[in-house]
Amino acid sequence: GAGVSQTPSNKVTEKGKYVELRCDPISGHTALYWYRQSLGQGPEFLIYFQGTGAADDSGLPNDRFFAVRPEGSVSTLKIQRTERGDSAVYLCASSLLGGVNTGELFFGEGSRLTVL
Amino acid sequence: ELKVEQNPLFLSMQEGKNYTIYCNYSTTSDRLYWYRQDPGKSLESLFVLLSNGAVKQEGRLMASLDTKARLSTLHITAAVHDLSATYFCAVDRGNSGYALNFGKGTSLLVTP
Repeated sequence: GAGVSQTPSNKVTEKGKYVELRCDPISGHTALYWYRQSLGQGPEFLIYFQGTGAADDSGLPNDRFFAVRPEGSVSTLKIQRTERGDSAVYLCASSLLGGVNTGELFFGEGSRLTVL
Repeated sequence: ELKVEQNPLFLSMQEGKNYTIYCNYSTTSDRLYWYRQDPGKSLESLFVLLSNGAVKQEGRLMASLDTKARLSTLHITAAVHDLSATYFCAVDRGNSGYALNFGKGTSLLVTP
């Protein structure tokens, strides 16, 4: 597609439930990033992938959060046993790596997660 | 840990006035990015600054980078209402994959 696509755009769930958020990056972009943005805050880094592997997952807050990118394109962020504090907008971005690329990140519209 | 601090966090200014937003960061980096976010929308890339002394301009906005001082500025010239938005600076985390740490953002309101 032309841009980064995220689904669902909105997700309301109950405390304790499991949630999956999907990101489809710009075609050909090798790097994919997940961020979390709470109201009135800047995006908080969670994890980034180079190809299929997680190159840096140091931003994942705890072991309830996990992300995969099995074929090096689409990624899924998985949250187990959701808590009210997980409520936020989850942003996905992609970029090209290497060569003369500037490292500019292109963001999707985000998935707004509300945990009741 | 890389910390990115912006100030001011809130800015109300009149149309036609000039102002500067500051972005300080805590560790060495040669890559700094400015993004704009409108309410309820995602982030739009404004500027990419990749070396010490880099200066980029687009319309009424000009961004600069001083890597020695670990400081970037976003200067607004003759503000107009359309510039009202939240502006974020972001710095490369330094792990070669362009993952960024963001500041808290500067919420700008331009009034008549």
